Amino acid sequence: QQQVKQSPQSLIVQKGGIPIINCAYENTAFDYFPWYQQFPGKGPALLIAIRPDVSEKKEGRFTISFNKSAKQFSLHIMDSQPGDSATYFCAGAPGEKLTFGTGTRLTIIP
Amino acid sequence: NAGVTQTPKFQVLKTGQSMTLQCAQDMNHEYMSWYRQDPGMGLRLIHYSVGAGITDQGEVPNGYNVSRSTTEDFPLRLLSAAPSQTSVYFCASSSAVSSGGYTFGSGTRLTVV
Repeated sequence: QQQVKQSPQSLIVQKGGIPIINCAYENTAFDYFPWYQQFPGKGPALLIAIRPDVSEKKEGRFTISFNKSAKQFSLHIMDSQPGDSATYFCAGAPGEKLTFGTGTRLTIIP
Repeated sequence: NAGVTQTPKFQVLKTGQSMTLQCAQDMNHEYMSWYRQDPGMGLRLIHYSVGAGITDQGEVPNGYNVSRSTTEDFPLRLLSAAPSQTSVYFCASSSAVSSGGYTFGSGTRLTVV
């Protein structure tokens, strides 16, 4: 079963725009919500993470917005750059078992 | 370099063959996991371990075995390879998943013909 649903599957944004990737989870036991960034031929790398007791977290140009009542969270990338082109995965975890969404392939065009 | 090391990087197997994917980490992490990545399906958990001698099944464990005799190593064994096991396999480790997330290796691309 898909415990973390991610959309869109792919996204094309012009440089400087704000891509938004959305995720929804089902398991209320999840207490940690990370986002991973993956470049072709590489393993995923942790980008930013949030816990359900806060509604927003910013790290540089990356922001997570979290809505606990709706069981949804999203990633926003401010002032997007061509170097941000990658596949992004959201995930949720109760403890050490991390469940991933299906991924979003983001392309930033100059 | 510190991190998670996976070998081999590429492998082609014939249906029915067995093999072991190696994973080693030098960060003294307690938690280790194996994921497979398939197009459109994200990363799916195969097996995980919370410490030496302790393993458990993930979402897609069938056809795979693991053991964890040391903190550093977490090999994944394919018992009898099938074309459905063609995938990219990632090993990951963490000292505390819910505070630091996982560090991933660079992956093993496996093709079963």
